Amino acid sequence: TQLLEQSPQFLSIQEGENLTVYCNSSSVFSSLQWYRQEPGEGPVLLVTVVTGGEVKKLKRLTFQFGDARKDSSLHITAAQPGDTGLYLCAGNGGPGAGSYQLTFGKGTKLSVIP
Amino acid sequence: DAMVIQNPRYQVTQFGKPVTLSCSQTLNHNVMYWYQQKSSQAPKLLFHYYDKDFNNEADTPDNFQSRRPNTSFCFLDIRSPGLGDAAMYLCATSFGTGGTYEQYFGPGTRLTVT
Repeated sequence: TQLLEQSPQFLSIQEGENLTVYCNSSSVFSSLQWYRQEPGEGPVLLVTVVTGGEVKKLKRLTFQFGDARKDSSLHITAAQPGDTGLYLCAGNGGPGAGSYQLTFGKGTKLSVIP
Repeated sequence: DAMVIQNPRYQVTQFGKPVTLSCSQTLNHNVMYWYQQKSSQAPKLLFHYYDKDFNNEADTPDNFQSRRPNTSFCFLDIRSPGLGDAAMYLCATSFGTGGTYEQYFGPGTRLTVT
């Protein structure tokens, strides 16, 4: 059983479209991070959400943490080819893990077509 | 700039020939992690050091070992690489005392086993 269910697994869209990636769990996390990873590189931290209901914006990216701190979403407005990559959500302090250990979702591979 | 550095970026080894991957960090973080990542999948935690304390994941093969001689450096030793060990190996660090335990990743080492 995957502790963090991330969906969709693959997404291919045209430049200019909007999209949302979901990260869901039945468990509570103390915080949740979103990473973007480009081919051949390590994941780069985009944002950390901590408080239930929190919304953070990073240019065209909007991140939300659910009120119960069990789920999160990433919304991209007007996607650009530079947004292409693997998006990973990861929760801190999940079941059976130390607070400094991350539980990863399986990732969403996004392709933005010019 | 403070960062996580991995060397080499690409490593080719022969089946059964020991190989060592290295990681260094200038962030002065007390927790260091090694992950294995296969194509477009989420990173899989192999082990981590919390200060000098070594923590092995239950499903990490005995073939994988690690050393942390000081705060800044950490090594991953693969004693007898098999074809199934070909992957991207990621090193990450975090500050494991309170806070959100955000992890910062290096660029990775792509290991090929011939």
